[in-house]
Formats: sequence, structure tokens, C-alpha cells
Amino acid sequence: EAGVVQSPRYKIIEKKQPVAFWCNPISGHNTLYWYRQNLGQGPELLIRYENEEAVDDSQLPKDRFSAERLKGVDSTLKIQPAELGDSAVYLCASSLGRAEQFFGPGTRLTVL
Amino acid sequence: GENVEQHPSTLSVQEGDSAVIKCTYSDSASNYFPWYKQELGKGPQLIIDIRSNVGEKKDQRIAVTLNKTAKHFSLHITETQPEDSAVYFCAASSSSGGTSYGKLTFGQGTILTVHP
Repeated sequence: EAGVVQSPRYKIIEKKQPVAFWCNPISGHNTLYWYRQNLGQGPELLIRYENEEAVDDSQLPKDRFSAERLKGVDSTLKIQPAELGDSAVYLCASSLGRAEQFFGPGTRLTVL
Repeated sequence: GENVEQHPSTLSVQEGDSAVIKCTYSDSASNYFPWYKQELGKGPQLIIDIRSNVGEKKDQRIAVTLNKTAKHFSLHITETQPEDSAVYFCAASSSSGGTSYGKLTFGQGTILTVHP
């Protein structure tokens, strides 16, 4: 069974530029999560989807971050414009309802 | 909201020794406690989890214990091997209002190094 797929794996941009991350969850998993992991820390939830609906986005900085999950499968997380403090690893995870969360390899973002 | 504290931040052991990582949580409603292993350049991988209706769970060399009264849970790795070297994260989650969701709150991580 294929795991959670994320792309790109690495991204380097200059501040004020836009950036987007893509996630393809495990087949059949209806719940999808985006986490941000700062260096030396645990992941922090940004947004959770159940199917197409964003049901928990309380930690998403909505002034510059946006996310979508069209058709309840793939998801895209966007930052516009990026700031220096956005440098982190962005992790996508998926689960079947309340079951175990499976994480992708992440996208390492560096903002210069 | 939930707050999870994890100790120690670093742990160094000799191959064959045991390793113990401890976590405390604040929300008494939390009822699911997974442990993740994260290797360099990879996403966290679930290694074991425990739910609040049990006190201990084992899977080969790995065990997790839960004390709901004290609000703490621990990961025990026996007969450590160099390939156990990684960052380990605990997390806590609670169901909310009858929905199918539990938000995971992670600890800060423990860097485990197993010396051959």
C-alpha cells in the first residue's frame, strides 16, 4: 500500500514569494491533516479536513496561509507571501476517521 | 487546550540497554496516546499507541504504560539497537463532542542515540 505522498520534498524561496505544497493521502483515508514542524519541535496542527470540509483550521494563519482539498482526496497548502519565520517542515498526514494518523515525508521549506 | 511535556530531550544508551521516555499531559479528556519515531529526513512513523481503557501495551521490544490518574505515559524500549536511534515523539488526543476526530498534541521530542 502506498503511503502519503508529498511534493516537493524541498523548496527554497525568497521572502514575500508564494509557495505551494501538495499532498496525496493514503487511498481511502477520508481525513487529512497539515502540520508544521519547526526545528527541534513536535508537529503542530495547521488544518484538518474530513472529506472536502475543513473542520479544524483554528491554528492556520489565515492572513497568509490557505488550503484546499478538492474532491476530498488531494490537498494543497499555500503560503502567500512567505516570511522568514515560515521556514519549517510541512507535514501531511491522513487517517481513516479517528484511526491512526500516517505521515508523509514532509516538505522542507527554507525562506531566505 | 492540551499540553504535552516530554522528557528527556536527549537520551544516550549503550546497545542492549533499555531506554525510557516519559510524557505528561494536561487534559483529562485525552484518551488516545500514540508514540512516533522520526528518522532524519522522514515523517513521523507510528510505532505503538495506547488507549485510555488499558494500562499497558507491548509489541516485541517496545512497551507503553499509561497512568490516567497521574496523567502520564511512558515508552519503554528494551534491548536497544543502533537502528533505534531517532527522534521519538509522544502525543495525546481526545475525542471532541461525539465527532469522529481526535486532535493530536505532540511533545517536544526525545533524541535517542544508541551506541554500538
